[in-house]
Amino acid sequence: KAGVTQTPRYLIKTRGQQVTLSCSPISGHRSVSWYQQTPGQGLQFLFEYFSETQRNKGNFPGRFSGRQFSNSRSEMNVSTLELGDSALYLCASSLDSTGPNTEAFFGQGTRLTVV
Amino acid sequence: AQKITQTQPGMFVQEKEAVTLDCTYDTSDQSYGLFWYKQPSSGEMIFLIYQGSYDEQNATEGRYSLNFQKARKSANLVISASQLGDSAMYFCAMSLRSFGNEKLTFGTGTRLTIIP
Repeated sequence: KAGVTQTPRYLIKTRGQQVTLSCSPISGHRSVSWYQQTPGQGLQFLFEYFSETQRNKGNFPGRFSGRQFSNSRSEMNVSTLELGDSALYLCASSLDSTGPNTEAFFGQGTRLTVV
Repeated sequence: AQKITQTQPGMFVQEKEAVTLDCTYDTSDQSYGLFWYKQPSSGEMIFLIYQGSYDEQNATEGRYSLNFQKARKSANLVISASQLGDSAMYFCAMSLRSFGNEKLTFGTGTRLTIIP
């Protein structure tokens, strides 16, 4: 059974550009969450999608957005990149979010560097 | 709001010894889940173990066990017979077990180094 796949693994972008990150969850998992990890702020929740709907959103500016497709794959987009957006972006997939969440498996992350 | 506290920024442990990583949490909800993850230098978050707030027995997964003390709001991870490959960052996390609250709140992590 394949795990959570995030692409690309590494990205270097220039300030002001936009970027799209992709996450393919474990087969059968319908919930996808995104997290940002930085040395200063630690791990912070960005948003969560379930059945193509955003159900939960963290405290990030509107430049951060996401979507989920019918096959549960998810993308997140960051527009007008800032130096502070440099981080490891992690995606987590969960089996069924209509009940208690007892597992959340992460991908290897996408390391974004903004120069 | 929920909060996770990990008070040990770093730990050094001799190989083959047992190690306990501390985690305390704060929430006013009665129904929640507690997770431990391992993050090696590669960046991937590896799921280790889960404990539900209503689970009466401590969770165990191979060499990992979770020492759950609900009254003290602590959820310490115990690794038995540590190995060199256990060197990594370890994060404690919590989620509320109500519909639509699947987000994980993480602690600041503990960097564990196993010494040969």
